[in-house]
Amino acid sequence: ETGVTQSPTHLIKTRGQQVTLRCSSQSGHNTVSWYQQALGQGPQFIFQYYREEENGRGNFPPRFSGLQFPNYSSELNVNALELDDSALYLCASSDGLAGGSTGELFFGEGSRLTVL
Amino acid sequence: AQSVTQLDSQVPVFEEAPVELRCNYSSSVSVYLFWYVQYPNQGLQLLLKYLSGSTLVKGINGFEAEFNKSQTSFHLRKPSVHISDTAEYFCAVIPPSGYSTLTFGKGTMLLVSP
Repeated sequence: ETGVTQSPTHLIKTRGQQVTLRCSSQSGHNTVSWYQQALGQGPQFIFQYYREEENGRGNFPPRFSGLQFPNYSSELNVNALELDDSALYLCASSDGLAGGSTGELFFGEGSRLTVL
Repeated sequence: AQSVTQLDSQVPVFEEAPVELRCNYSSSVSVYLFWYVQYPNQGLQLLLKYLSGSTLVKGINGFEAEFNKSQTSFHLRKPSVHISDTAEYFCAVIPPSGYSTLTFGKGTMLLVSP
């Protein structure tokens, strides 16, 4: 069973640039959620994809967008980067909405984005 | 909507001492409850979860938690901590159905010293 993998692990961008982060969900999982974890904070929900459709969204502006592919992998895109976008971005997968029958989300190691 | 409050941002403790990390939640519906651990520069790892049944749940690495519905709490405990338990601990909740995802607390940093 392959776990959740994210790439890249670290990256540095400058203000105004665009970034794409990638996530491969755990085998058999059809739901992917993205979280932003700023330094010293708990993860904040960005959005969730279920069977290639955006299924819910947290309090993030439209410049945060995403995709889910037929193999259930996912991308997070952030346009017009701001300094406050510096954070660890976590991807989590599950077998169905609300974590499926077990309620559990499985997390990747994250992508650490630094915006200068 | 749900919210999670972790009452302590940092808990210092000596090795082999017991520890309790506190978590309270607010929700208009029943929820599943989780504790996750995050080691430095890593993602989140599930420690334990409460879905239903016995209110005392046991997890990995000797941790356990007790669900108290009347006090809306889900405190995490370990009778004897190790240096390697130094990490950030997050309490989280999720409703068991519908369009929803995890709501996290702000985390508690457990600092274990010799």
